[in-house]
Amino acid sequence: AQKVTQAQTEISVVEKEDVTLDCVYETRDTTYYLFWYKQPPSGELVFLIRRNSFDEQNEISGRYSWNFQKSTSSFNFTITASQVVDSAVYFCALSESQTGTASKLTFGTGTRLQVTL
Amino acid sequence: EAQVTQNPRYLITVTGKKLTVTCSQNMNHEYMSWYRQDPGLGLRQIYYSMNVEVTDKGDVPEGYKVSRKEKRNFPLILESPSPNQTSLYFCASSRTGSYNEQFFGPGTRLTVL
Repeated sequence: AQKVTQAQTEISVVEKEDVTLDCVYETRDTTYYLFWYKQPPSGELVFLIRRNSFDEQNEISGRYSWNFQKSTSSFNFTITASQVVDSAVYFCALSESQTGTASKLTFGTGTRLQVTL
Repeated sequence: EAQVTQNPRYLITVTGKKLTVTCSQNMNHEYMSWYRQDPGLGLRQIYYSMNVEVTDKGDVPEGYKVSRKEKRNFPLILESPSPNQTSLYFCASSRTGSYNEQFFGPGTRLTVL
């Protein structure tokens, strides 16, 4: 069975600090996909990034970067120079194939990030 | 605008009173799913549907029913709600394939007294 662990329940930082959100996953599949979603205080879920199991290249998008390491089964998310608007709950998720054609997302328990002035 | 809509957004009800939460998407997605979000547990899948008339159980299906009579709609039915079904519910849709990101509705906050 697949599993996603986000050990950090809550993180508080001061604006402009860098912060890394950890994600560790377990799966027996050789092909899988990892996602990060953001849930701001308004409650909706916003897709941030997808990474497939064959692509270990790190990715950077503005202040956001992701580090995928298959050797440690981790897919960590770093926010550089955090801002108050980054305050949200962040979920890491793992996708397996249900009957080979559909996707089931297994979510971690989320990390609440609080950025203060 | 491409979106997933849910109604109602907020609902307070009493134990045993049947209710339906509607979900509709306008992206012609084949795959739709329901999740519930509870503190400390993240999101857990209730039911999913791979296409019209094709539905299956997720991780926590007890106490719920779904139907998929049309491609765009995927209602969640609680025939006899209980307090342990108090939760935040999300509907999601995507194209088929594990690599496709799911688009989520705005959520329905349900309280069962």
